[in-house]
Amino acid sequence: EIVMTQSPATLSVSPGERATLSCRASQSVSSNLAWYQQKPGQAPRLLIYGASTRATGIPARFSGSGSGTEFTLTISSLQSEDFALYYCQHYYNWLPISFGPGTKVDIK
Amino acid sequence: QVQLVQSGAEVKKPGASVKVSCKASGYTFTSYGFTWVRQAPGQGLEWIGWISAYNGKTDYAQNFQGRVTMTTDTSTNTAYMELRSLRSDDTAVYYCARWGPILVFHDYWGQGTVVTVSS
Repeated sequence: EIVMTQSPATLSVSPGERATLSCRASQSVSSNLAWYQQKPGQAPRLLIYGASTRATGIPARFSGSGSGTEFTLTISSLQSEDFALYYCQHYYNWLPISFGPGTKVDIK
Repeated sequence: QVQLVQSGAEVKKPGASVKVSCKASGYTFTSYGFTWVRQAPGQGLEWIGWISAYNGKTDYAQNFQGRVTMTTDTSTNTAYMELRSLRSDDTAVYYCARWGPILVFHDYWGQGTVVTVSS
């Protein structure tokens, strides 16, 4: 089983600032990494797949990078609607998928 | 437009079973698969398993082996997840999510079904 970890657990950021979230896999997943955003009471929403490809309708302020075991989600200028939970998920080689524990982005 | 609509909230007693449905529309059902994920109160996302709507192939998380069955009905474009021998720690929101055609990331999600297990 591939174990996903995320850091930090909570990130306090002011509106308009940059947020950098990290995700690490216990073994290489190549670029088979997705990021999701979840707001309270809502289902997760796909932001990024293939480590760096934005999903349909996702604003350009969201960007993903990395490959292998280290990945980053960057929100270039936080808007009020971006304060939420963020999860990474691998989907490597038809192995059982797993999600990271999440990073909460809250208002500083 | 793609939509996944899940069945309503359930309250079950310990030891009972629950069957959650996920009705899909707006795309070719058999070209994609479904993952089932749950989220206990205040917790993260836990993978339960997946099913291909193309050939019915399934893969279940080890924690749920023997207790879960996933199926699809191509005549009604509906996916199902049945969980048996319910315990209090199965109390959670259960989500279906679409994956595919090839890669298992999830571009559409159901709205979630709250399952409460309580005596």
